[in-house]
Amino acid sequence: GAVVSQHPSWVICKSGTSVKIECRSLDFQATTMFWYRQFPKQSLMLMATSNEGSKATYEQGVEKDKFLINHASLTLSTLTVTSAHPEDSSFYICSARRWDREREGRWETQYFGPGTRLLVL
Amino acid sequence: AQRVTQPEKLLSVFKGAPVELKCNYSYSGSPELFWYVQYSRQRLQLLLRHISRESIKGFTADLNKGETSFHLKKPFAQEEDSAMYYCALTVYSGGGADGLTFGKGTHLIIQP
Repeated sequence: GAVVSQHPSWVICKSGTSVKIECRSLDFQATTMFWYRQFPKQSLMLMATSNEGSKATYEQGVEKDKFLINHASLTLSTLTVTSAHPEDSSFYICSARRWDREREGRWETQYFGPGTRLLVL
Repeated sequence: AQRVTQPEKLLSVFKGAPVELKCNYSYSGSPELFWYVQYSRQRLQLLLRHISRESIKGFTADLNKGETSFHLKKPFAQEEDSAMYYCALTVYSGGGADGLTFGKGTHLIIQP
């Protein structure tokens, strides 16, 4: 269990257009999902926290008007890159948080999607 | 603000040799530490967390609060261990665990 999907897996768009990326938890409900961005040869950087039914929380330096996040249901969060520019080209990865019961206790685990590669021309 | 440091971008060892991937963190409170692994062309997946103290695929990691370290170790490396390894940290706020702060990752290559 605990599968997270992303769609599309890759997208190429023209500068100035908007792109929507979906993140779905397929077999569990997630009140909280996270969006990360990974530039080539760099680590994952947290962009925002997506909360079902409420506004997303953005990390410092991330433009909320550029990266619109909607978490309309317990299994779906969307990230829309508005008026995309070449510098927005990156690998976008989402994760969904779930409580897991393990042998030694009960903890929250983040399960990651496969990522979406965005190329803005 | 929290920070995770992985000093080695690349680590190459021979099969059967011991492996140690270094991770240091900075955070004034009590964070939760993780190791995530990413095999070629696969998504990021949790390898282990410091709270559970489990050994996964022969890997162990001990949290040393005095040295603020969480090094990943395996006594005998196997070729299938070749992957990208990320050390990560989270803290708990009122709503649960926050998003992860990742280190830059270490590319582990196990030579035959």
